[in-house]
Amino acid sequence: SSELTQDPAVSVALGQTVTITCQGDSLRRYFASWNQQKPGQAPILVIYGKNNRPSGIPDRFSGSTSGNTASLTITGAQAEDEADYYCNCRDTSGNQYLFGSGTKVTVL
Amino acid sequence: QVQVQQWGAGLLKPSETLSLTCAVYGESLRGDYWTWIRQPPGKGLEWIGEINQSGSTNQKPSLKSRVTISVDMSKNQFSLKLNSVTAADTAVYYCARGVSVVVPGVMGLDYYHYMDVWGKGTTVTVSS
Repeated sequence: SSELTQDPAVSVALGQTVTITCQGDSLRRYFASWNQQKPGQAPILVIYGKNNRPSGIPDRFSGSTSGNTASLTITGAQAEDEADYYCNCRDTSGNQYLFGSGTKVTVL
Repeated sequence: QVQVQQWGAGLLKPSETLSLTCAVYGESLRGDYWTWIRQPPGKGLEWIGEINQSGSTNQKPSLKSRVTISVDMSKNQFSLKLNSVTAADTAVYYCARGVSVVVPGVMGLDYYHYMDVWGKGTTVTVSS
């Protein structure tokens, strides 16, 4: 498969929980990773593998996978979490990466 | 701590060749995959391609005919060339480290692939 599908935008009240999803056939074979991108900045990795956070990423970020859907959950969203979030994973051949179209998270 | 620093020409005319270089600090190029990604203005991320320590490359199929990714182990650098550029190639270009690891999982082995160290990006504009 050559696509990862994300919802374009989602909003969350300050301190509440939001889940972003990413769908694609490749996710049945490979775990997604999630990158956060704020305006004018390079992306940073927030979740990889089954549910792993790089050093420095708050534990309010978590990931999961079920079937062809990967999810990123922010539990207790903060104002600084407002950003675009991109899922990515290898395609089913393993020879290229796919990016989702991105989800803009707005913290109200 | 691994860091990458990238540079290259920012303004090109149609049909010219885009050329960018990424230097890696804090780790040898002998491990992992070294990756190029781009982002057109106002749009999402697009994977361009990658190279590993042995010089083996993968590229996005739609760009493969125009893309060359190379590595200079002596300088710990890798490079991207994209020929015959058009306005559609206008984008911020990023270099990044791609990691591939295998870990024990519940049902056997789990394969993790992710990009964890990113350059700051180079804005490339193609205009006549």
